[in-house]
Amino acid sequence: GAVVSQHPSRVICKSGTSVKIECRSLDFQATTMFWYRQFPKQSLMLMATSNEGSKATYEQGVEKDKFLINHASLTLSTLTVTSAHPEDSSFYICSARGPGRGGGTDTQYFGPGTRLTVL
Amino acid sequence: QKEVEQNSGPLSVPEGAIASLNCTYSDRGSQSFFWYRQYSGKSPELIMSIYSNGDKEDGRFTAQLNKASQYVSLLIRDSQPSDSATYLCAVNGRMYSGGGADGLTFGKGTHLIIQP
Repeated sequence: GAVVSQHPSRVICKSGTSVKIECRSLDFQATTMFWYRQFPKQSLMLMATSNEGSKATYEQGVEKDKFLINHASLTLSTLTVTSAHPEDSSFYICSARGPGRGGGTDTQYFGPGTRLTVL
Repeated sequence: QKEVEQNSGPLSVPEGAIASLNCTYSDRGSQSFFWYRQYSGKSPELIMSIYSNGDKEDGRFTAQLNKASQYVSLLIRDSQPSDSATYLCAVNGRMYSGGGADGLTFGKGTHLIIQP
């Protein structure tokens, strides 16, 4: 249980184009999803929190007009990287808050990640 | 600035021995603590969660939390070569997130190598 999928797993695009990444909770409903970014040999950095039916909350330093987040249903959140540039190349990982193991406190379950390369 | 600190390693442990991974955090208000395992090129996989002081055991894994010392650890008993990975310590607390949400703050991870 508590499976999260992401699509696509890998994308290569030209500088200036936009890329949409989908994050789905497959066997549970997630009112809250999170988007992280990981550069090589670095840790995961929280970019934004996506709440179903409301605006996303962005972390300090993350441009909300560049990284558009939509959480239109309880199982789907999308991240669109607009006007992508080479410095946006990174590993983008979503997570969804779901039931904790053994019925305990909510836990975050991570998707498999999307590797974005901007040429 | 709120931080989660880990020794980056690599930490080399013989197969069958106990691997001990440590993590400290700066915010005393933190409530939830997690250990994730991440293989190269993959996303993190939850290993353990712990919320109260003391030990929590799950199979070969034991998480230890000491809120007074702001310290979290993970012990892996009977280490196997398949345990070789980067282990990420993550902390959940509203004060870490500028937006007030409960996103996780991660340490940089400890690279663990289990030697056959």
